[in-house]
Amino acid sequence: EDKVVQSPLSLVVHEGDTVTLNCSYEVTNFRSLLWYKQEKKAPTFLFMLTSSGIEKKSGRLSSILDKKELFSILNITATQTGDSAIYLCAVAGAKGAQKLVFGQGTRLTINP
Amino acid sequence: NAGVTQTPKFRILKIGQSMTLQCAQDMNHNYMYWYRQDPGMGLKLIYYSVGAGITDKGEVPNGYNVSRSTTEDFPLRLELAAPSQTSVYFCASSYYGEYEQYFGPGTRLTVT
Repeated sequence: EDKVVQSPLSLVVHEGDTVTLNCSYEVTNFRSLLWYKQEKKAPTFLFMLTSSGIEKKSGRLSSILDKKELFSILNITATQTGDSAIYLCAVAGAKGAQKLVFGQGTRLTINP
Repeated sequence: NAGVTQTPKFRILKIGQSMTLQCAQDMNHNYMYWYRQDPGMGLKLIYYSVGAGITDKGEVPNGYNVSRSTTEDFPLRLELAAPSQTSVYFCASSYYGEYEQYFGPGTRLTVT
């Protein structure tokens, strides 16, 4: 059974800190790994990674995938209170219909 | 474009009642999905559809039914509501060949 595990489940830091969120996975015939940010409502897309070792970057957020060790990290530098959210990792395997398997999420709280 | 829309936003049901959660998208996406999200958990796939007239079960389909008569609409039916179905329900859609899914704002359902 495909599985995605995120850690930590919860993290509280001060504004300006750097955080690293982890996502490990076991999936048949890996295709892609996606990161989403979920504030009060719907998850919104951040990154998709398909190739190992390539860093995706958007402002203060960056992510890298290690296909050999089956994990990804999401880094946020110089955190702001607006970064407070649940961060979800999802993996697409080869089971068809482009289905995603989601991890439990990491709840990140940034205190001023 | 409105994107993915869901109605209602909130609903309280009594045990044994039935209801339909509505989902519509105006992006001409082939694929549509229904997820539920329990507190502190990630998203679990209930049902999905790869096109009008084609639906299939996801990870947690028991107690639910779906139909897809048009490309735009993908309603989720709860026939005999149970407290275990208390959750937040998200509808999502994607283009054929792309893993990024676009999410609706969610429906918060309480069964008492």
